[in-house]
Amino acid sequence: SQQGEEDPQALSIQEGENATMNCSYKTSINNLQWYRQNSGRGLVHLILIRSNEREKHSGRLRVTLDTSKKSSSLLITASRAADTASYFCATVANTGGFKTIFGAGTRLFVKA
Amino acid sequence: GAGVSQSPSNKVTEKGKDVELRCDPISGHTALYWYRQRLGQGLEFLIYFQGNSAPDKSGLPSDRFSAERTGESVSTLTIQRTQQEDSAVYLCASSPWRWDTQYFGPGTRLTVL
Repeated sequence: SQQGEEDPQALSIQEGENATMNCSYKTSINNLQWYRQNSGRGLVHLILIRSNEREKHSGRLRVTLDTSKKSSSLLITASRAADTASYFCATVANTGGFKTIFGAGTRLFVKA
Repeated sequence: GAGVSQSPSNKVTEKGKDVELRCDPISGHTALYWYRQRLGQGLEFLIYFQGNSAPDKSGLPSDRFSAERTGESVSTLTIQRTQQEDSAVYLCASSPWRWDTQYFGPGTRLTVL
């Protein structure tokens, strides 16, 4: 089964609202990364949070990590129509060659 | 500088034919990954190269799939005797080191008729 599981699978909000996506994982991690994908092609890295960090910010993005619950959340504040995309979390394991496993993603639709 | 490039961008082939997909990573990146993404799905890990270490092939779905990488440069993913279920976008990513941020190419969309 996949290491990272995003929740919800799909999210539809109005422009200006905040969007929150969650990611759960199963094993010990070195770090967790969030990516964005437009139009089903290449992914773009958004933010990396290490296992010893609890929160990280980048512009309108805020990522939290709770290693005791094996979960992370991505918050996009003041969303824009251009934020419409699929968002994936990726966990980098601490063992086994630091394999990176991607979740199934959350599809975000921001209505103008 | 140049990002990760992949070729071809689109490939249409007939069932049973072999195909070869190419990935040119960012110069200096030691780690290289191949993923498969079916329509509307997440990324499925296929194979991972790290420097001169033996590749992690644990994600290859069958022995029809193979990949090579020359040193820390170009990689090719070969699918032999293609099947319709192989239709997907094949994504390549490279990374400075194995636990770092991955930089993705635009992908190759493979359609098997």
